[in-house]
Amino acid sequence: QVQLVESGGGVVQPGRSLRLSCAASGFTLSNYGMHWVRQAPGKGLEWVALFYYDGSKRYYVDSVKGRFTMSRDISKNTLYLQMDSLRAEDTAVYYCARDYGYNYGFFDYWGQGTLVTVSS
Amino acid sequence: EILMTQSPATLSMSPGERATLSCRASQSVSSNLAWYQQKPGQAPRLLIYGASTRATGIPARFSGSGSGTDFTLTISSLQSEDFAVYHCQQYHQGLPLTFGGGTKVEIK
Repeated sequence: QVQLVESGGGVVQPGRSLRLSCAASGFTLSNYGMHWVRQAPGKGLEWVALFYYDGSKRYYVDSVKGRFTMSRDISKNTLYLQMDSLRAEDTAVYYCARDYGYNYGFFDYWGQGTLVTVSS
Repeated sequence: EILMTQSPATLSMSPGERATLSCRASQSVSSNLAWYQQKPGQAPRLLIYGASTRATGIPARFSGSGSGTDFTLTISSLQSEDFAVYHCQQYHQGLPLTFGGGTKVEIK
């Protein structure tokens, strides 16, 4: 069955970097758009980034443009989120989520999330 | 950016009652709206997409309606497992994808 497992979260100082991973199973990443969605403590959901199914395009919310980069390793069926120049406001649970299809824009499977805490 | 507003923020209900949750978009999103359920410590779960289509495995007591700017999620008879936070999300005309602030359905 479809499964998404995130890892890589932790406590990091402002200005430092962190790389999140999302291991997918039960489907092939190259057939689906993939997203990162985050949720600050006690807050709502915020879409962060999209990786096109064919790898041709990546999009980011304005607040992370130039700091976050999505990538994937097809051989490992794993998605990554490289987060640089982290800020306190990036503190959140980060979920990877599968697009319903190539690029529908809503999410049919979610990982369990990984907590990123940016604090000195 | 399309802003999504959910109301009420909290809904206090008893099991067996009918719950009606609202979601409003700042501009038309046609029927490009999804609803998710989120329980404490868990990831969101897709309930409804296309404003009214139930996702796989979602019970018939969940129904969605609306188009344009005003949407409703109805739970016909609340079960104990339905007490959770519900999020709406629009996916109309590109990015960014945006969510409402959520409605918490709590036990009265």
